[in-house]
Amino acid sequence: GAGVSQTPSNKVTEKGKYVELRCDPISGHTALYWYRQSLGQGPEFLIYFQGTGAADDSGLPNDRFFAVRPEGSVSTLKIQRTERGDSAVYLCASSPSTVETQYFGPGTRLLVL
Amino acid sequence: GQNIDQPTEMTATEGAIVQINCTYQTSGFNGLFWYQQHAGEAPTFLSYNVLDGLEEKGRFSSFLSRSKGYSYLLLKELQMKDSASYLCAVRGMNTGFQKLVFGTGTRLLVSP
Repeated sequence: GAGVSQTPSNKVTEKGKYVELRCDPISGHTALYWYRQSLGQGPEFLIYFQGTGAADDSGLPNDRFFAVRPEGSVSTLKIQRTERGDSAVYLCASSPSTVETQYFGPGTRLLVL
Repeated sequence: GQNIDQPTEMTATEGAIVQINCTYQTSGFNGLFWYQQHAGEAPTFLSYNVLDGLEEKGRFSSFLSRSKGYSYLLLKELQMKDSASYLCAVRGMNTGFQKLVFGTGTRLLVSP
């Protein structure tokens, strides 16, 4: 079946701009996670959703980052006033429930110039 | 918090066996995962351990000792395609029951 998909696969933007990153989870998966991965590092947790609500957003680095999942399926990660330090691969994962294995999408490579 | 340590790089020869170690410190341990990640690609789930002992899945096996805060991933009959990063991740109750905390990954290079 179809896995987790993310769009765009690559995004280049300028410092100060606004970006949106989209994640389509595996159909029927209620839990959705966002992670950020810098070069040579493991993924770092940002936020996770159980259904439509953000159950844990403790990993969001500051208030420029925001994520939504209005219908309990697709999620959008929004970054305002981007900074060069935001450059990374943003990974999305989903799981049937929060206690089960997480399956990752291919990621969005964000480059802030 | 949770500290996870794994070697940065390892090299091995095609056909050989390699063991990648992972040590962790956490409160309320609730599972350890191994993922494989090829360069530029998504992490792919390999194995999950929550009880002590060995879990075998084809050429890959994973071992856990909760009392020692230790796990290893064993790869047998290495193939060139096994060259990748191997990520150890822990789920613990003290930082949220659901999210995973990852190590920095071990880059494995398999040579002919």
